[in-house]
Amino acid sequence: QQQVKQSPQSLIVQKGGISIINCAYENTAFDYFPWYQQFPGKGPALLIAIRPDVSEKKEGRFTISFNKSAKQFSLHIMDSQPGDSATYFCAASMSNRGSTLGRLYFGRGTQLTVWP
Amino acid sequence: GAGVSQSPRYKVTKRGQDVALRCDPISGHVSLYWYRQALGQGPEFLTYFNYEAQQDKSGLPNDRFSAERPEGSISTLTIQRTEQRDSAMYRCASSLGLVGGRGSEETQYFGPGTRLLVL
Repeated sequence: QQQVKQSPQSLIVQKGGISIINCAYENTAFDYFPWYQQFPGKGPALLIAIRPDVSEKKEGRFTISFNKSAKQFSLHIMDSQPGDSATYFCAASMSNRGSTLGRLYFGRGTQLTVWP
Repeated sequence: GAGVSQSPRYKVTKRGQDVALRCDPISGHVSLYWYRQALGQGPEFLTYFNYEAQQDKSGLPNDRFSAERPEGSISTLTIQRTEQRDSAMYRCASSLGLVGGRGSEETQYFGPGTRLLVL
């Protein structure tokens, strides 16, 4: 059972366009939602993360939009560049009260290709 | 500074053999995680440690898989009597893991992985 559902599986965007990747979850205990970027042959690297107490977080060209009631969150990449071509994973985790975060539940990934 | 390192980077073994995969986390990181990533899929949780204590091993597929972190630093994931279905990329991650931490303390930093192929 996939705890975090991600779409689309692949995405092709022209340079300068907006890339949008969506994720949905069921477990309301999740309270940490990171996005990871993975280039071929490399491990995933944190791109941006959000907690459910805010509806949006922006870092440069990357924005997470979070809809708590719908249990959905999305990654927006503005002014997409060829260097953004990679696989993107959304994930979710829950913190134990007074303790550290546990496991990350990952989506299946979105392969983004940005054409020059 | 140095990131998470894993060894070996590639391992080819015959069915039935035991393998040991090593993870060296970022210095000072309390939490260490093991994931398995199939081609074209997201990482799938196996187990994790805080210091030397194994906190959650619910993701280990069966009793052929085990992990340890005896001194709270380096960790070893061992697969006994390997089977072809064990072939995958095994990734390790570490985080500062401060109690009640928010922000960067929660970030899991991933290593380059060990590609395991069981023939």
